[in-house]
Amino acid sequence: GESVGLHLPTLSVQEGDNSIINCAYSNSASDYFIWYKQESGKGPQFIIDIRSNMDKRQGQRVTVLLNKTVKHLSLQIAATQPGDSAVYFCAEKPSGGYNKLIFGAGTRLAVHP
Amino acid sequence: GAGVSQSPRYKVAKRGQDVALRCDPISGHVSLFWYQQALGQGPEFLTYFQNEAQLDKSGLPSDRFFAERPEGSVSTLKIQRTQQEDSAVYLCASSLIGQATGELFFGEGSRLTVL
Repeated sequence: GESVGLHLPTLSVQEGDNSIINCAYSNSASDYFIWYKQESGKGPQFIIDIRSNMDKRQGQRVTVLLNKTVKHLSLQIAATQPGDSAVYFCAEKPSGGYNKLIFGAGTRLAVHP
Repeated sequence: GAGVSQSPRYKVAKRGQDVALRCDPISGHVSLFWYQQALGQGPEFLTYFQNEAQLDKSGLPSDRFFAERPEGSVSTLKIQRTQQEDSAVYLCASSLIGQATGELFFGEGSRLTVL
């Protein structure tokens, strides 16, 4: 079948463990940073975003951390489940205007029972 | 429909053929985007529409790529004289005009394979 990312870095975790996916961004002028999840054969699905004036935001089982000093973004998934297996992309929205997102390269998360 | 709908899901074209990819955005979404996703990479911006106006086409890789949204709803991405390097998944996304966050609603994409 289709595969979103054959040569992406892979994070392998055991079911129930916490996962941390990292991303480095380049544009200091971005006003939003976003995480998307993409399952094989599907389009990216919005998970959570964070404004540039925040350093942490929590959602349901997910937390996004933003470190502007080192231009680093991370996604923490608590109690990882098999359904979390996918490719995760970070994206940034440059300030002003519309949602023209710039996506990073992606990380594959593999959850093992 | 409830989500963004794209067709065809799969398209195989011989090099040199023209292709047309269709996107039906979520009803009421003013903003519409096309992205290109090569295997193993993140989506890359192609073009943006606000209603029927194409406000940004800076990501279109060549003049063989053309997009339109004549009535501000359905959009078509046309690729003329396809080349092997055009093989990719073409993603359409829509959002509300006043949405200042990073949330785009993506379709499942159209996978183009050029032989």
